[in-house]
Amino acid sequence: QKEVEQNSGPLSVPEGAIASLNCTYSDRGSQSFFWYRQYSGKSPELIMFIYSNGDKEDGRFTAQLNKASQYVSLLIRDSQPSDSATYLCAVNNNDMRFGAGTRLTVKP
Amino acid sequence: EAGVAQSPRYKIIEKRQSVAFWCNPISGHATLYWYQQILGQGPKLLIQFQNNGVVDDSQLPKDRFSAERLKGVDSTLKIQPAKLEDSAVYLCASSPLAGPDTQYFGPGTRLTVL
Repeated sequence: QKEVEQNSGPLSVPEGAIASLNCTYSDRGSQSFFWYRQYSGKSPELIMFIYSNGDKEDGRFTAQLNKASQYVSLLIRDSQPSDSATYLCAVNNNDMRFGAGTRLTVKP
Repeated sequence: EAGVAQSPRYKIIEKRQSVAFWCNPISGHATLYWYQQILGQGPKLLIQFQNNGVVDDSQLPKDRFSAERLKGVDSTLKIQPAKLEDSAVYLCASSPLAGPDTQYFGPGTRLTVL
């Protein structure tokens, strides 16, 4: 079983729609959870982090965490073509473990 | 504030050769990480330093990979000898000691082993 699992996609949504990205993790002791965006040929850049159960909003992005279900998600509202990238979920319990990423395409 | 610096950006070598990568973290960041990202996969942590001490190197193939951070600032990752399967992007990241454990990535070094 992979430690951090993501649907590889590609996930395609029309411009202006909500994109929903999901991630599950196996280590129940994980303390912090991150979403990174990675454009093709570039390095990952942090979108947001979440530590507590519930929702955390930052602009068009909302992270949701459910530790009981070992599930974390990222919602992107009003998706733009510039949001087209691979989204990496990362989980930290003393060391950071990344998922393989979900490729998102936002079509104009 | 300057970001994480890495060099070289690209490197092509033949198998069994050696190669070294350099990283300079964000000023004041105590923790430095080296990751390997193979095409189509997420980054895999190779080694984590806090200041000049190793925190975690459990996934570092120590028979061929080595890393050092002598003065607690910049770091070097070496591969000797390289294998075909080492072809990947090597990412360096840093994070501050205090506050959220968010990591900031450098541009990476793309290694091709022929």
